[in-house]
Amino acid sequence: EPEVTQTPSHQVTQMGQEVILRCVPISNHLYFYWYRQILGQKVEFLVSFYNNEISEKSEIFDDQFSVERPDGSNFTLKIRSTKLEDSAMYFCASRRSGGAYEQYFGPGTRLTVT
Amino acid sequence: GENVEQHPSTLSVQEGDSAVIKCTYSDSASNYFPWYKQELGKGPQLIIDIRSNVGEKKDQRIAVTLNKTAKHFSLHITETQPEDSAVYFCAASIKGNYGQNFVFGPGTRLSVLP
Repeated sequence: EPEVTQTPSHQVTQMGQEVILRCVPISNHLYFYWYRQILGQKVEFLVSFYNNEISEKSEIFDDQFSVERPDGSNFTLKIRSTKLEDSAMYFCASRRSGGAYEQYFGPGTRLTVT
Repeated sequence: GENVEQHPSTLSVQEGDSAVIKCTYSDSASNYFPWYKQELGKGPQLIIDIRSNVGEKKDQRIAVTLNKTAKHFSLHITETQPEDSAVYFCAASIKGNYGQNFVFGPGTRLSVLP
């Protein structure tokens, strides 16, 4: 069964550094998402991406964040200058098409900013 | 914007008993309600979902009911097993420009005691 994959599983970085989190969505899916989950809290929507552009973004997704689909398989989240409060689990999700509402999540990347 | 509340925050049941988790939402335009199961260290796994044109959906031991008028929906797990122990999140969709983004509830930690 196809799955969403994410790398790395754990990323440790120093405050102010740039990080790139990588995701490979399910191959025939067209809609891509990033969510964040601070330890012990609920999952929060960051951004959705369709047809090579951002379709929606939340208040969390400020100028420090960017997303890209550099090729036909990868979907990346970049944080330009990490802050301590960026420490969280970051989940990528994908969805097949406009008529299918189901989003399938990857295993997540744990980002620790020191 | 959409707000999703979830109760209870923790739930302990004996193996074989039923578990019920309830969620309420605020936006009457929400039309899709998934439930996710999250095991420790893993990403959210879609276990069942319901669209707003349906009042109930069942998949083996899991069922979801939706009351659009009252804006609440519930997850029912029957004949619980220890492997059902996890954190369960409900979510409600927000119709965006090109698709559905989710607002998640705060989660319910379910413990099934053998």
